[in-house]
Amino acid sequence: QKEVEQNSGPLSVPEGAIASLNCTYSDRVSQSFFWYRQYSGKSPELIMSIYSNGDKEDGRFTAQLNKASQYVSLLIRDSQPSDSATYLCAVIRNTGTASKLTFGTGTRLQVTL
Amino acid sequence: DADVTQTPRNRITKTGKRIMLECSQTKGHDRMYWYRQDPGLGLRLIYYSFDVKDINKGEISDGYSVSRQAQAKFSLSLESAIPNQTALYFCATSDLYTTGQAVLDGYTFGSGTRLTVV
Repeated sequence: QKEVEQNSGPLSVPEGAIASLNCTYSDRVSQSFFWYRQYSGKSPELIMSIYSNGDKEDGRFTAQLNKASQYVSLLIRDSQPSDSATYLCAVIRNTGTASKLTFGTGTRLQVTL
Repeated sequence: DADVTQTPRNRITKTGKRIMLECSQTKGHDRMYWYRQDPGLGLRLIYYSFDVKDINKGEISDGYSVSRQAQAKFSLSLESAIPNQTALYFCATSDLYTTGQAVLDGYTFGSGTRLTVV
């Protein structure tokens, strides 16, 4: 079982719709969760972080965390063509000073006109 | 100037050659990382360093070595390049900090080096 699992997609949504991206993780002691956006050939860019159960909103983005189900999601409202990218879920196990990120393989999102 | 700079941006090299990828940062972060990215495999950690005197292997360190010359510089070497090392390589830095009960580690990535081994 992979530590961080994502559906590779592509996930295709029409412009203006809500895109829902999902991620599951295997390590129950994971404490911090991140969503990165990566355009083709470019470096990952951090768009959201969350560490408490529930929802966290930032503009058109909402991250949702359910630690009991070991599940984290990213909702993108009013999807725009510029949102078309690969979205990477990343998890950190808080082992103090030894903590480092583990990435999923990413979900490719296509926003169609 | 970028916070994390990688050189070169693109490189084509021949099998068996030694090649060095360089990374420098102006963020003042102690922690630095080297990842490679392959289609369908995501980002995989090669080596990481939590300070100048600390070097650790990641999940795919075979065939690679690193040098942490200073807090700001972390180089990745391929001693004898082979075609399956063709990939997109990223350097990243981070700064460990705590907020409430959680430890957060925000990463900043360089622009990447596209390496092709022929």
